[in-house]
Amino acid sequence: QSVLTQPPSVSAAPGQQVTISCSGSSSNIGNDYAFWYQQLPGTAPKLLIYDNNKRPSGIPDRFSGSKSGTSATLDITGLQTGDEADYYCGTWDNSLSVGVFGGGTKLTVL
Amino acid sequence: QVQLQESGPGLVEPSETLSLTCTVSGASISSYYWSWIRQSPGKGLEWIGYIYYSESPNYNPSLKSRVAISTDTSNRQFSLHLSSMTAADTAVYYCVRGGKWYDFWGQGRLVTVSS
Repeated sequence: QSVLTQPPSVSAAPGQQVTISCSGSSSNIGNDYAFWYQQLPGTAPKLLIYDNNKRPSGIPDRFSGSKSGTSATLDITGLQTGDEADYYCGTWDNSLSVGVFGGGTKLTVL
Repeated sequence: QVQLQESGPGLVEPSETLSLTCTVSGASISSYYWSWIRQSPGKGLEWIGYIYYSESPNYNPSLKSRVAISTDTSNRQFSLHLSSMTAADTAVYYCVRGGKWYDFWGQGRLVTVSS
């Protein structure tokens, strides 16, 4: 049971847009930044979004993040087959004093 | 370019202690927080703990009694020790840069607990 809640899977057609949600609480997302990681099959996770909505160098602007209250959202536009991956949200939980993650969302590009 | 590389055994016997080392290039060990994160087969991510060279490490309370993380700045390494291993500790172990968010990851080391 993950501290942050994500939908197990989402799917959309190439070129379309998809939104992945991440629900937390006042002790984690509500009190700190949200981060997103992309894990392509068979590889290590990669930082996709930091500080709620910032992209590291090299991440296309098709990926965007936002946060409102105790929830965060990852939007991916112009879907490509290469975007098929597991996506994880993460943050720090100040009550538990641990790094926490969502259970991951598997994106399928149909 | 920052790179991290895990090294250590891929197979550990039950009740034994796992020791993994992460070698860092492209960044100073003494300038950043460094963490260990694991991922059980087919499962999500679990934060194990972090260290900053001049501070006491911070560990996941669920593992605190069994875990130790240390740095070796002269060799640009940091290490994980996890004692009393069981099958539930079978996972891919990642070393990463960062304490609360993680911008560079090692490729991961699959550790299987089995006799």
